[in-house]
Amino acid sequence: GAVVSQHPSRVICKSGTSVKIECRSLDFQATTMFWYRQFPKKSLMLMATSNEGSKATYEQGVEKDKFLINHASLTLSTLTVTSAHPEDSSFYICSAEGTGGAGYEQYFGPGTRLTVT
Amino acid sequence: DAKTTQPPSMDCAEGRAANLPCNHSTISGNEYVYWYRQIHSQGPQYIIHGLKNNETNEMASLIITEDRKSSTLILPHATLRDTAVYYCIVNNYGQNFVFGPGTRLSVLP
Repeated sequence: GAVVSQHPSRVICKSGTSVKIECRSLDFQATTMFWYRQFPKKSLMLMATSNEGSKATYEQGVEKDKFLINHASLTLSTLTVTSAHPEDSSFYICSAEGTGGAGYEQYFGPGTRLTVT
Repeated sequence: DAKTTQPPSMDCAEGRAANLPCNHSTISGNEYVYWYRQIHSQGPQYIIHGLKNNETNEMASLIITEDRKSSTLILPHATLRDTAVYYCIVNNYGQNFVFGPGTRLSVLP
């Protein structure tokens, strides 16, 4: 199946710094990518929808100035956590939308574990 | 909110079939049923999806009731590596996936 990669897989940063997470579709083009956040023992929560060449659409309660999303190409979307704080520590997962023969499939990256100290 | 309800947890003996149910009584005519699973600290893994016909692939079978209000994911011969959280999602093209809490499947030796 299609592959989505994320980099880095885990990152530790100090409070107040910014962290960039990359999401790449390796063998297909994705006009739409999604960013999720998952806290321990909880389910995935959608943060934003990233569309190539246009502004991202953020879910209610997600600060767009804090979580900057850039989808500059059909294979790359980035999420930048600005001025990170310990409460931003979480597992961040991206997904990319592909097309199958019937319906479509969403392919998920392996996730990035962010720890803010 | 998720449009599906699943039991929070299930156990299955290794080598036996695991049957995971999902209710989606408000599914609309053009929405597909998707199943993903998530092994601890990994991203969700696609398993299978279907519209109204039963589907089978190398991982699992998907049985959708005729009224489409419920479905069952079948892992024919569960192994210890199938221990994971299984998510049933109904969705249409172009929409984001809404994850519920899923079913935590424990395959026991």
